[in-house]
Amino acid sequence: NAGVTQTPKFQVLKTGQSMTLQCAQDMNHEYMSWYRQDPGMGLRLIHYSVGAGITDQGEVPNGYNVSRSTTEDFPLRLLSAAPSQTSVYFCASSYSTMTLEDTQYFGPGTRLTVL
Amino acid sequence: DAKTTQPPSMDCAEGRAANLPCNHSTISGNEYVYWYRQIHSQGPQYIIHGLKNNETNEMASLIITEDRKSSTLILPHATLRDTAVYYCIVRVFSNSGYALNFGKGTSLLVTP
Repeated sequence: NAGVTQTPKFQVLKTGQSMTLQCAQDMNHEYMSWYRQDPGMGLRLIHYSVGAGITDQGEVPNGYNVSRSTTEDFPLRLLSAAPSQTSVYFCASSYSTMTLEDTQYFGPGTRLTVL
Repeated sequence: DAKTTQPPSMDCAEGRAANLPCNHSTISGNEYVYWYRQIHSQGPQYIIHGLKNNETNEMASLIITEDRKSSTLILPHATLRDTAVYYCIVRVFSNSGYALNFGKGTSLLVTP
């Protein structure tokens, strides 16, 4: 298993540009999520999905869109990039988040800089 | 919601045991304690989790007090590669299911 994969590893955008961060998992996990991590901070939840066709907002959803058309993929779209979105983005997946005992697995991250 | 408290930083000599404490005094009876670590901005890595009993796996041991208000993660023979930020997390139910609430964790420095 490749686990959770993310592309690209690094990205530089100009203010106002749009782009999509890709996330894929091959573990047949129901739950997938996106976090952002700013320097010196913990991870904050952006959006999550409990299955194909179902998405919802996390703690910091503004400026981001998601969709989940397949179990494997969960792309994160920046509609109009802003410098405040400069961060490291992590995708995670787990078998199911609706149980107290469930382990999340994280991808390697995408480092995004918005100029 | 159960909240965790960890020291911001700790040092440990290579080859010695690293004992990382965590307080979670408001934990509920059915909430698990999870430990993750993050090595130099890589994706967080799962280490271990437990409910009541002490747990051990190939990476670490988890000691949970009888009243469940605190726990200790033990890395039995720390190596330089164990230098990382360690997060103690109690899973709490929110609108996004049983979310992982990452705080600032403990920055562990393993020295030669």
